[in-house]
Amino acid sequence: GAVVSQHPSRVICKSGTSVKIECRSLDFQATTMFWYRQFPKQSLMLMATSNEGSKATYEQGVEKDKFLINHASLTLSTLTVTSAHPEDSSFYICTPRKQGVRETQYFGPGTRLLVL
Amino acid sequence: KQEVTQIPAALSVPEGENLVLNCSFTDSAIYNLQWFRQDPGKGLTSLLLIQSSQREQTSGRLNASLDKSSGRSTLYIAASQPGDSATYLCAVIMDSSYKLIFGSGTRLLVRP
Repeated sequence: GAVVSQHPSRVICKSGTSVKIECRSLDFQATTMFWYRQFPKQSLMLMATSNEGSKATYEQGVEKDKFLINHASLTLSTLTVTSAHPEDSSFYICTPRKQGVRETQYFGPGTRLLVL
Repeated sequence: KQEVTQIPAALSVPEGENLVLNCSFTDSAIYNLQWFRQDPGKGLTSLLLIQSSQREQTSGRLNASLDKSSGRSTLYIAASQPGDSATYLCAVIMDSSYKLIFGSGTRLLVRP
């Protein structure tokens, strides 16, 4: 199966700081990247969809100025949580979509963010 | 608005039992449906993908069925093992955008 990496896997930060999460598709090119988050004991919710070289599309209720997504290349997308607050503590998962192929989603291993 | 529900929320069974996990969705116009496994603190592993035109998919001890008209899918696990303990999520894809709408999951514990 395809390999997707996320870095860091876990981060603890103080309230008000910004945190950048990287997602890389290691063996395929991803024209589309989905970012999901999962609060404790809840299911995954889609935050935004990004296409390489263009602006991300955010789901209702997700602040685009708070969650900055950059999809500058076909193998790398970043999610920056700006001025993080405790309520942003969550599990963030990226899902790159393989270019031109209708198939199973490949999920990153996730990044657990804890904001103190 | 599509809503995905999974029942039961949690399940504890002795090793060796066959079990069924249920998933229902409110809008039957789905593109496809997928079952995932999530281990604690980890990402997702795809188990089975059922296209909207299919009725079921099988992989090893797993069998997933889909009844689009009634908005239901089941995941059947045969001869459960302690290693099957995890949270099982079902998700529907509504269109070619491939956005996933997840259910809340079923936490499975298989006791040795």
